[in-house]
Amino acid sequence: KQEVTQIPAALSVPEGENLVLNCSFTDSAIYNLQWFRQDPGKGLTSLLLIQSSQREQTSGRLNASLDKSSGRSTLYIAASQPGDSATYLCAVNLTSCSNYQLIWGAGTKLIIKP
Amino acid sequence: DAGVIQSPRHEVTEMGQEVTLRCKPISGHDYLFWYRQTMMRGLELLIYFNNNVPIDDSGMPEDRFSAKMPNASFSTLKIQPSEPRDSAVYFCASSLYRGTNEKLFFGSGTQLSVL
Repeated sequence: KQEVTQIPAALSVPEGENLVLNCSFTDSAIYNLQWFRQDPGKGLTSLLLIQSSQREQTSGRLNASLDKSSGRSTLYIAASQPGDSATYLCAVNLTSCSNYQLIWGAGTKLIIKP
Repeated sequence: DAGVIQSPRHEVTEMGQEVTLRCKPISGHDYLFWYRQTMMRGLELLIYFNNNVPIDDSGMPEDRFSAKMPNASFSTLKIQPSEPRDSAVYFCASSLYRGTNEKLFFGSGTQLSVL
């Protein structure tokens, strides 16, 4: 059974630091992996989607990597800002016939201190 | 596009009452999902539709829960009768199927409190 784990559950860093959020999964037979951001009282926003054939995706200060063989993905945030404070969730897609067999991590709550 | 629109944003009701949550997906999206989020269990997929047809409702917790999608621009999630343990944030999300690599777009959610 596929399980997705995000450690740590919470992280607090000073503004300006580069940081890495971790996501691990138990079964490497995934189709893709997505990173989402959730602000308090809001819905989830998809940040990056990495296909199983890809190693990384970049969007602005965000870079997501994928290592299927080791069951790991990381979300790198460069030059963190207070506006990056949110909960970050990863989700793995298990099947090739549907985008929507998503298994979710519990999220990492990130606080960027001014 | 205004994104996925959910209503109401907040709902407070008493145990035993019927609750109806509404969702308008992004125009042109052919998949629609209902999720529930709680602190204890995180995000749970309740049901999803493809082209207005329910595909997988295995996540619907009980017969008290039902969902419909009468057309491509509207879906409802109904709880009847509601119970305190149904208190959660309910999200609707939509996506466009293109080789399974399209992103998922979420609404802002409905915060449901059952007293």
